[in-house]
Amino acid sequence: AQSVTQPDIHITVSEGASLELRCNYSYGATPYLFWYVQSPGQGLQLLLKYFSGDTLVQGIKGFEAEFKRSQSSFNLRKPSVHWSDAAEYFCAVAPGGGAGSYQLTFGKGTKLSVIP
Amino acid sequence: NAGVTQTPKFRILKIGQSMTLQCTQDMNHNYMYWYRQDPGMGLKLIYYSVGAGITDKGEVPNGYNVSRSTTEDFPLRLELAAPSQTSVYFCASSDSGRTSYEQYFGPGTRLTVT
Repeated sequence: AQSVTQPDIHITVSEGASLELRCNYSYGATPYLFWYVQSPGQGLQLLLKYFSGDTLVQGIKGFEAEFKRSQSSFNLRKPSVHWSDAAEYFCAVAPGGGAGSYQLTFGKGTKLSVIP
Repeated sequence: NAGVTQTPKFRILKIGQSMTLQCTQDMNHNYMYWYRQDPGMGLKLIYYSVGAGITDKGEVPNGYNVSRSTTEDFPLRLELAAPSQTSVYFCASSDSGRTSYEQYFGPGTRLTVT
């Protein structure tokens, strides 16, 4: 079964600083990879997704993520953080190639705080 | 277009009571899901459905039941509530195929069992 590890429980950055949130996955083949964001009191929203092809993917709100097969990683980045980016971020994985049911396995999340 | 709506937003139950969490989507999505979110634990899939009349268990189905009589609605039933079911519950929906991974979430129901 696949699994997802987000090593950082809580990260604090200053507004305008760059951001990188880490995500490592465990899966036998190339999985499908996702980042979701949860604003306080809200449901989750998809930021970006990777299925295949270009390993650098662009998402909404100025976020990007890079798939590195050799490191089993899919880290999320943003060059300049805004106060409105304060939220909880979840990495998720699904079996690649459409195998099995369309179920996501989520990491435990990284809470981002932004200092004005 | 309201997306995914959930009711109620908050609920306190006594041990042994039962209740139904309602979920409705207006995007004509075939797939629907129920998750629970516990602090520091991410989201765990309870049940999912790939269409009306078809449901299947997720990772943590014990203590819950679902039904899917229409495309729009996917209620979650808690029988004999236990303190371990204190959690935030999210309903989500998605289209089929690879776009099924783009799940649209409702705002959640915060349930406390005491």
